[in-house]
Amino acid sequence: NAGVTQTPKFQVLKTGQSMTLQCAQDMNHEYMSWYRQDPGMGLRLIHYSVGAGITDQGEVPNGYNVSRSTTEDFPLRLLSAAPSQTSVYFCASSRGTGTGDGDTQYFGPGTRLTVL
Amino acid sequence: DQQVKQNSPSLSVQEGRISILNCDYTNSMFDYFLWYKKYPAEGPTFLISISSIKDKNEDGRFTVFLNKSAKHLSLHIVPSQPGDSAVYFCAASGLRGGATNKLIFGTGTLLAVQP
Repeated sequence: NAGVTQTPKFQVLKTGQSMTLQCAQDMNHEYMSWYRQDPGMGLRLIHYSVGAGITDQGEVPNGYNVSRSTTEDFPLRLLSAAPSQTSVYFCASSRGTGTGDGDTQYFGPGTRLTVL
Repeated sequence: DQQVKQNSPSLSVQEGRISILNCDYTNSMFDYFLWYKKYPAEGPTFLISISSIKDKNEDGRFTVFLNKSAKHLSLHIVPSQPGDSAVYFCAASGLRGGATNKLIFGTGTLLAVQP
């Protein structure tokens, strides 16, 4: 099992450029989510999905789009990158919501994004 | 408004001694709490959790204590080892299931265990 994989590991964008952060899991988890980690802010939920075809917004969704066409993949799109989106992005998956006994979220290694 | 707070950005402990990491929360609807550990350049990994029906949960060297009246939880690591050096995140959620059940994370505490 590879677990949760994310690509790329590092990315530098110019303001206004678009890109897609890839996330895949091979654990057949229904629930997937994207977080961003900023200094002094902890991890904040951007978007999440409870299954293929179903997505919803988290705490900080503005500037990001997601889709979930398969159970395995959950890409995060930045349509027009801004310096405020400079952050480390983590994808996570879990069997359920990852908030109950025996059901935890597994995180990928992260993508470090810099927007100039 | 930070619903989950870790007021100590960093903590330094000698190897073999106890490490105590603290977390406070403001939302009385939270009823499930987790600790995650994060090494540099890696994603967070689950460490230990506790539901609000308990006041203590133990797993090897790690124990989490929950004080609901004070809205406070703590993670005890005994004995501390250099490999425990990492950032520790506290997280909370409401145990209601469904799509709206989300984790709220604290800002993290960097633990350094000195040999």
